[in-house]
Amino acid sequence: DTAVSQTPKYLVTQMGNDKSIKCEQNLGHDTMYWYKQDSKKFLKIMFSYNNKELIINETVPNRFSPKSPDKAHLNLHINSLELGDSAVYFCASSRTQGNTEAFFGQGTRLTVV
Amino acid sequence: RKEVEQDPGPFNVPEGATVAFNCTYSNSASQSFFWYRQDCRKEPKLLMSVYSSGNEDGRFTAQLNRASQYISLLIRDSKLSDSATYLCVVTHTGGFKTIFGAGTRLFVKA
Repeated sequence: DTAVSQTPKYLVTQMGNDKSIKCEQNLGHDTMYWYKQDSKKFLKIMFSYNNKELIINETVPNRFSPKSPDKAHLNLHINSLELGDSAVYFCASSRTQGNTEAFFGQGTRLTVV
Repeated sequence: RKEVEQDPGPFNVPEGATVAFNCTYSNSASQSFFWYRQDCRKEPKLLMSVYSSGNEDGRFTAQLNRASQYISLLIRDSKLSDSATYLCVVTHTGGFKTIFGAGTRLFVKA
């Protein structure tokens, strides 16, 4: 049983397209996150949700829109994809806020061509 | 200045060596501190939390110095399987904002 699962694992798409990445956690956690890891391997937080409510939005372009239909899901929709969006996107969850261990999904490797 | 800074390495050490990593953070209101490990092309996983009193887990020892705003990780008797990137992690803003350092790469060689 995968605790945090995200799909797809790989995504190759053309510039200008719109794509979504889905994330689900079966741990019963209240808090979920999206992170971006770029080519330099720097892991940056994008969004933090607690009980379906947006808590942190880290100056991410508004082409990125997270959606949390319930506590167990946090999806990421990206409009008008750009070359610079190419990265690995990780979903994560933690029991409550970030003072506890975060569990990460396996990542979605997005390549924009 | 980055909120969390680490020496990127790489650190190349022989098996059995002791190696130490340091990490500094800029926000004095930071609340919680962790070390995560990330293997190549894998997701990060928690290695250990870091407490003010220091804590040890087998061959790994973590220390926190709030006055100087740095965190350290000591690995004793390095194994080949310790080769990975070690990420220093700090939280603040009620715990919702989690900042990762850029990571320190460790290569342990036979």
